[in-house]
Amino acid sequence: SQTIHQWPATLVQPVGSPLSLECTVEGTSNPNLYWYRQAAGRGLQLLFYSVGIGQISSEVPQNLSASRPQDRQFILSSKKLLLSDSGFYLCAWSDRDYGYTFGSGTRLTVV
Amino acid sequence: GENVEQHPSTLSVQEGDSAVIKCTYSDSASNYFPWYKQELGKRPQLIIDIRSNVGEKKDQRIAVTLNKTAKHFSLHITETQPEDSAVYFCAAGNYGQNFVFGPGTRLSVLP
Repeated sequence: SQTIHQWPATLVQPVGSPLSLECTVEGTSNPNLYWYRQAAGRGLQLLFYSVGIGQISSEVPQNLSASRPQDRQFILSSKKLLLSDSGFYLCAWSDRDYGYTFGSGTRLTVV
Repeated sequence: GENVEQHPSTLSVQEGDSAVIKCTYSDSASNYFPWYKQELGKRPQLIIDIRSNVGEKKDQRIAVTLNKTAKHFSLHITETQPEDSAVYFCAAGNYGQNFVFGPGTRLSVLP
């Protein structure tokens, strides 16, 4: 069966510090991978999606970046965090047979 | 591109009553319409979905209807219970590709 792992669950980082969030998927090959951000009490904002290794599409210009070094690994990064980067970050995957399945999320607080 | 609107933004019902959430979409090429439930602090989880070749789908107390001509689809929850309280997101897109999410509906079931 397919599973998605996302870590860490919570993170408190100072302004200006770097960020690395990781997501891995098991039980499927060549999935589409996504990073979403959700501000408190708000909707789902698509940040990045990837249809294959090294293929990244950005939906929102910002100081975040994403990489897909392996088929089932998706990484969200920042060189210098801003206060506005605080939020609930969700990784998700989909393929031809399944709709979106979300990871458990990372709650990031930038202080 | 696709645009999804969702109404109402908040909904309060008495326990045992029915709840209806409506979404409209703009892209007639969309053929897959999932609904997600997000409890406080948790990931969105798929609760029901419908494809464009089906007009209605039911799963116990939850049903979804689709009107492709009018480009709208609705979530119906009958005999609501306190555990139905959550934020509900509709989405539209094509299976295995990006979805566009609605802004969400906060449902409160009052005991």
